[in-house]
Amino acid sequence: GAVVSQHPSRVICKSGTSVKIECRSLDFQATTMFWYRQFPKQSLMLMATSNEGSKATYEQGVEKDKFLINHASLTLSTLTVTSAHPEDSSFYICSATAQGAFGYTFGSGTRLTVV
Amino acid sequence: AQTVTQSQPEMSVQEAETVTLSCTYDTSESDYYLFWYKQPPSRQMILVIRQEAYKQQNATENRFSVNFQKAAKSFSLKISDSQLGDAAMYFCAYRRKTSGSRLTFGEGTQLTVNP
Repeated sequence: GAVVSQHPSRVICKSGTSVKIECRSLDFQATTMFWYRQFPKQSLMLMATSNEGSKATYEQGVEKDKFLINHASLTLSTLTVTSAHPEDSSFYICSATAQGAFGYTFGSGTRLTVV
Repeated sequence: AQTVTQSQPEMSVQEAETVTLSCTYDTSESDYYLFWYKQPPSRQMILVIRQEAYKQQNATENRFSVNFQKAAKSFSLKISDSQLGDAAMYFCAYRRKTSGSRLTFGEGTQLTVNP
């Protein structure tokens, strides 16, 4: 079945630094990738949608200059949290789908802690 | 805009018993997809079952089945012979049929399975 690999699974960074999270589709071409943020015991909140080779489309209220998304190839999308602050601490999840596919495959998530 | 509502924040069931999780949605589309995802403590999102709106037959996957009532815009999940491993957060989700369209999630239902 389709597999999406997300790294790192956990990261701790200092306030003011940047951190990059990678999401790779291992056995299919991910034409569309999604990035979510999830707070404890809450639902997934869509942050942005990215199509390969195009600029990401951000949801209302998501700072595109803080959460940089790159989807430069059909197998890799990255989310960079720039100038991270403690309020950016959260669980981030990616998902990916291929053109015309029914299902969406999720990465295993990244727990970001900003200290 | 499409919305998905799960009115049961928490549910519990005895091992080997049956439990039904509720989900309602709102859409003006006539053809779309509905999903149930499971998120165990590992926080990996796992697809449980899916339904295509144009199919009248309710989807079934082993111990998991749905009751899809299109006119009522209801999509409930029935778990039979509940097992300890079924304990998780369950999310109902909707998406349009358009390739690469976003998933809209409900708020989630936390299921506890008691031995």
